[in-house]
Amino acid sequence: SAVISQKPSRDICQRGTSLTIQCQVDSQVTMMFWYRQQPGQSLTLIATANQGSEATYESGFVIDKFPISRPNLTFSTLTVSNMSPEDSSIYLCSVAGTSTGEAFFGQGTRLTVV
Amino acid sequence: AQTVTQSQPEMSVQEAETVTLSCTYDTSESNYYLFWYKQPPSRQMILVIRQEAYKQQNATENRFSVNFQKAAKSFSLKISDSQLGDTAMYFCAFWVRGTYKYIFGTGTRLKVLA
Repeated sequence: SAVISQKPSRDICQRGTSLTIQCQVDSQVTMMFWYRQQPGQSLTLIATANQGSEATYESGFVIDKFPISRPNLTFSTLTVSNMSPEDSSIYLCSVAGTSTGEAFFGQGTRLTVV
Repeated sequence: AQTVTQSQPEMSVQEAETVTLSCTYDTSESNYYLFWYKQPPSRQMILVIRQEAYKQQNATENRFSVNFQKAAKSFSLKISDSQLGDTAMYFCAFWVRGTYKYIFGTGTRLKVLA
């Protein structure tokens, strides 16, 4: 199992600014995942963060908008850049057990852009 | 491509009653896992139950059980003796062993009524 600490839990930001979300895992993991969950909707994978390499972004998400850092095997950050109201969502970080497939999630960051 | 469909956006059930949440999926893979995750209003996503596709026996975890129909690509969740704490969003998810991608359904919002 894995315990994930994500912060901030929520924030209200002005459009045009940036917010960095932090995710700390209590064990070393190869891959960390960042999801977006728009209000009342399912989870959409933004990108996969591997330690020591560039993040892999899913279709519709670009590095300039969502830069990701992965400095070590227990930590990652996601930055939401140049925010607009359309970026208002819950952002979740996650890790997965490779043998069981079970995913573990942070508490999520509820972002509101005004 | 894999898809996961949850056709019930919202459901309600009386406390102590039984409710079944539906999920269908589509895949050409043979080695996969299916999951039900619960996301309470507090937002932390947690695993409810897991089913390996190669196992014919339906998974059970206390009050939670699944009806896994592999040929029909159906994976429903039954909650027995519903409790107020079961009120949450429930997501059906699909994972191919050896990959890192989850496919989530759109979720079913379950409300347990006192």
